[in-house]
Amino acid sequence: QVHLVQSGAEVKEPGSSVKVSCKASGDTSNNYTITWVRQAPGQGLEWMGRITPGLRVGYHAQKFQGRVTITADTSTSTAYMEISSLRSEDTAVYYCARLHTFLLTGYFYAMDVWGQGTTVIVSS
Amino acid sequence: DIQMTQSPSSLSASVGDRVTITCRASQSISRYLNWYQQKPGKAPKLLIYAASILQSGVPSRFSGSGSGTAFTLTISSLQPEDFATYYCQQSNSFPYTFGQGTKLDIK
Repeated sequence: QVHLVQSGAEVKEPGSSVKVSCKASGDTSNNYTITWVRQAPGQGLEWMGRITPGLRVGYHAQKFQGRVTITADTSTSTAYMEISSLRSEDTAVYYCARLHTFLLTGYFYAMDVWGQGTTVIVSS
Repeated sequence: DIQMTQSPSSLSASVGDRVTITCRASQSISRYLNWYQQKPGKAPKLLIYAASILQSGVPSRFSGSGSGTAFTLTISSLQPEDFATYYCQQSNSFPYTFGQGTKLDIK
C-alpha cells in the first residue's frame, strides 16, 4: 500500500520559483510513476506531467515547457515538481498521484493513490 | 492534445435518483478513460478505470460504459455521500487531459 505525503503550503512572489515534494511510503520499489495535477481555485483538474523515478524518465505537458521541472530522488522515494517564473495564474493546489498500471486485455493507467495536496499562492 | 468534454457541467438531483454524466473525447481513445470523484477540499478519488472497471472499494451503484469517443458514468441510486464533482480523464496519450468536471448537488 503506497502512501503519498506532500510538502506544506507556500506563498511566493511573482517571478520566483517553488519546489513541491511528494514522498512515497509503503510499497516503494521505485517501480512506479508519479504524476502531478493542479487545480486553480474553483477550477477543474489540470494534468501537468509525470516521472518514473526508477527510470528517471519524465514528461510534462507542452503548456509548461521550460517552466516546469519534474524530478525524483530514488534514495528517499521522493518526487519533486518545480515551477519557475511564477505568475498569479499558478496559484493552485498541486497534487501528486501514483499512476497505476492495470493489466487487463492491455495496459490501462489511472491515478489510484493521491497526496493530500499542496497550496501554492503567488502574490506580491 | 485530446480534448475531453463533459455534460452537463452541473446537475441537481435527489437521493435515490439515477444520474448519468457524459464524457466525449475529441478523438478515439479506445477504453482509456477514467472517472474520478472529488469532494470540496479533498484530493480526487479514482472510481472507474478502463471505461467500465470499478476500482476496489467503490460501491456497485457506480458504473461506467463506452468506448472510442463517447462514455458515460451512471450512479444508479444516489446516496448523500455521492454529492460531489466528477471528472473524466483520458489515459490514451500524453498529456492525460481531464474533462471540465460535473458538479452534482442536492435538489
